[in-house]
Amino acid sequence: GAGVSQSPSNKVTEKGKDVELRCDPISGHTALYWYRQSLGQGLEFLIYFQGNSAPDKSGLPSDRFSAERTGGSVSTLTIQRTQQEDSAVYLCASSYGTNQPQHFGDGTRLSIL
Amino acid sequence: DAKTTQPNSMESNEEEPVHLPCNHSTISGTDYIHWYRQLPSQGPEYVIHGLTSNVNNRMASLAIAEDRKSSTLILHRATLRDAAVYYCILQSYNTDKLIFGTGTRLQVFP
Repeated sequence: GAGVSQSPSNKVTEKGKDVELRCDPISGHTALYWYRQSLGQGLEFLIYFQGNSAPDKSGLPSDRFSAERTGGSVSTLTIQRTQQEDSAVYLCASSYGTNQPQHFGDGTRLSIL
Repeated sequence: DAKTTQPNSMESNEEEPVHLPCNHSTISGTDYIHWYRQLPSQGPEYVIHGLTSNVNNRMASLAIAEDRKSSTLILHRATLRDAAVYYCILQSYNTDKLIFGTGTRLQVFP
């Protein structure tokens, strides 16, 4: 079946621009997660949505980062006024719920010039 | 969050068993032990998880020490496709976020 789909796969933009990254989770998965992986760094949790509960935003690095999940399905991660340190691979995952395996997409590689 | 300690790298020959260790001496009673792996240019892939008892699935086996302060991921016959970074992660029952460490980079030689 279809896995987690992320778009675009690559994004190059200029410093100061806003970017939107999209994640289509696996159908039926109620939980959705965003992580990022910077060169030379490990995977870092950003934000987590579970059903209709308030999202866990504890990993967002600054108020320039925000995410929405519309209709309990597709999610968009928005980065405003991008900085060079935002360059990373942004990964989305989904799962059936608490303590269930997380299924990851292949990520969006974001490069800030 | 409880921490895990893994060797930075390990090597294996194809078709040999591989034992990937993980230490988690500060594990709490409600922490699950999860293993994920990440192949080059791909997102992480779930491998296996357990709480107290040893677990087997089609990909691997997970051996958990009786005191739960360490665990071992066992790949029964390594293939070239198993070359990846393997992450051992503790996940509390009441949170879903995964805290990744640096993992073990496994090289498999023909």
